[in-house]
Amino acid sequence: AQRVTQPEKLLSVFKGAPVELKCNYSYSGSPELFWYVQYSRQRLQLLLRHISRESIKGFTADLNKGETSFHLKKPFAQEEDSAMYYCALSMDSSYKLIFGSGTRLLVRP
Amino acid sequence: DGGITQSPKYLFRKEGQNVTLSCEQNLNHDAMYWYRQDPGQGLRLIYYSQIVNDFQKGDIAEGYSVSREKKESFPLTVTSAQKNPTAFYLCASSTWGQGNQPQHFGDGTRLSIL
Repeated sequence: AQRVTQPEKLLSVFKGAPVELKCNYSYSGSPELFWYVQYSRQRLQLLLRHISRESIKGFTADLNKGETSFHLKKPFAQEEDSAMYYCALSMDSSYKLIFGSGTRLLVRP
Repeated sequence: DGGITQSPKYLFRKEGQNVTLSCEQNLNHDAMYWYRQDPGQGLRLIYYSQIVNDFQKGDIAEGYSVSREKKESFPLTVTSAQKNPTAFYLCASSTWGQGNQPQHFGDGTRLSIL
């Protein structure tokens, strides 16, 4: 069955440290991967998608089909990055999204 | 700000009662979605609709019903058949296009059982 796994419920780092939020998926077809973020008191919103190949707020994510991973990375974490991050999978360009359970990132001063 | 409006923010249901959660969007999006979120879990898809007067079951549709009579509105009814309705419910919408378009979310409705 299709699944998205985010192994860390909580990731705590100090400001300026590198960050990597892990995401692994299980799907044999053609996946589209996304990262959604929810800042405190704000709505869940799209952070980035793999097909865009862009960097948003200093975050990047590369789809590794061999390892079925889509880890989110940032070289230098900022306090304002503290939020809940969800990895999501779309299968064969369908409208359906499968979400991981989320990782809370806490960036300490 | 506009976009997607969910109401009410908090809702209490008595045993055996049906309740309806409202979701309205002014983004002119064709597709709308309902998700359920439980503590420690990701979002799970309940129902989705790609076009007016059409909707599809998601992964956990049992005990829920929806309608899509207008493009702007996609209400979700939690029926008495849903045995564990206490959860946080999120509505989302997206455009229709090639591939999966980004989904825009509302603020959510928290449903509790009295």
